[in-house]
Amino acid sequence: DTGVSQDPRHKITKRGQNVTFRCDPISEHNRLYWYRQTLGQGPEFLTYFQNEAQLEKSRLLSDRFSAERPKGSFSTLEIQRTEQGDSAMYLCASSTDRGPVNTEAFFGQGTRLTVV
Amino acid sequence: GDSVTQMEGPVTLSEEAFLTINCTYTATGYPSLFWYVQYPGEGLQLLLKATKADDKGSNKGFEATYRKETTSFHLEKGSVQVSDSAVYFCALSGDHGSSNTGKLIFGQGTTLQVKP
Repeated sequence: DTGVSQDPRHKITKRGQNVTFRCDPISEHNRLYWYRQTLGQGPEFLTYFQNEAQLEKSRLLSDRFSAERPKGSFSTLEIQRTEQGDSAMYLCASSTDRGPVNTEAFFGQGTRLTVV
Repeated sequence: GDSVTQMEGPVTLSEEAFLTINCTYTATGYPSLFWYVQYPGEGLQLLLKATKADDKGSNKGFEATYRKETTSFHLEKGSVQVSDSAVYFCALSGDHGSSNTGKLIFGQGTTLQVKP
């Protein structure tokens, strides 16, 4: 297993365009998370999936953001009508609940979004 | 809500110096506590964790003890190396019983620079 993969690594888009990011978690992990990290800050939680079900969404996730995890495998995060304030690193992480409580979350390398 | 506060950086040390990065938290119940590290150009990696009061997490010469009485989880290393230069994030995963999602709340990160 190569760990958590995210694609693309970098995305530059014009304001108002839509963008979609993909995350491939570790194959046996049933939990998947999206976080956003801005420069000089720690990651902030956006949303959580247990298998294919989206069980929690942060208030940071405005109506322009949507995430899916069809079939409980890979996940996509779409941002519609991008704004300059959306510029950030978008991180995906996965873990499993089949074991001790709070097992380790493994992070991908992130997708860096720049909105110009 | 739950939160994590870390000492501000950057922290600049000479090789073989002693390191302490302070971390305090606010949470209900008995959260699990983590230190993640982000090396330049790489993704977040778990450095160590502790899941209950008085537990000591350790890895690669780093240690942190879960102190419930002071709500702290300070990171220490006796002798730092240039290769330890990175950003260090303290994080917690809340104790919400059966609805524990494993989501992480991060501090803002502390940059460590070790000079030869």
